[in-house]
Amino acid sequence: EAQVTQNPRYLITVTGKKLTVTCSQNMNHEYMSWYRQDPGLGLRQIYYSMNVEVTDKGDVPEGYKVSRKEKRNFPLILESPSPNQTSLYFCASRKLQGMNTEAFFGQGTRLTVV
Amino acid sequence: AQKVTQAQTEISVVEKEDVTLDCVYETRDTTYYLFWYKQPPSGELVFLIRRNSFDEQNEISGRYSWNFQKSTSSFNFTITASQVVDSAVYFCALIIIQGAQKLVFGQGTRLTINP
Repeated sequence: EAQVTQNPRYLITVTGKKLTVTCSQNMNHEYMSWYRQDPGLGLRQIYYSMNVEVTDKGDVPEGYKVSRKEKRNFPLILESPSPNQTSLYFCASRKLQGMNTEAFFGQGTRLTVV
Repeated sequence: AQKVTQAQTEISVVEKEDVTLDCVYETRDTTYYLFWYKQPPSGELVFLIRRNSFDEQNEISGRYSWNFQKSTSSFNFTITASQVVDSAVYFCALIIIQGAQKLVFGQGTRLTINP
């Protein structure tokens, strides 16, 4: 089954404790990205990657890191989480070219930083 | 810069009513794709439809239909004979197929179907 898998689904952590949210896709998609969803603000892109070892900032990259060492994986790293990073996070992947450009999303990770 | 506007923050209707969700977009590019996604209470994002900028043909899928009009930069979504299971947040989104190819979302419309 084609899917994007995020883990964990729920996470409560304390300020300053490093954490990683994993994301993996099995569709051989070139493009992967991370979004955060906040009430009234919709979904905003944090980082994206067009291929292995190629990553770039989205609209709200401050406080986040990513890596793309393998095509299927795109982890999101919070080196020192703060309460303003409490949010619902989504990983997405899609083909870079061609007609079928819709993004497939993971199930979401609800992060609370206290 | 690209922008998607969903002016309706919340809509509430009674079951079996028809409802239209509005989406207006802004872009200077001539090649782009538009999408609708559904986010049910469980939280996942479900892809509903894709439309490219060269295809203005309307589409119907069961009770769902979409009206794409380049002249007004709109891509509206209509649910006919709404059901309680249609209750969700619906997002309209836009991709420009060049550069960063960022998927830009509208702020979403929360649709509540009351029995």
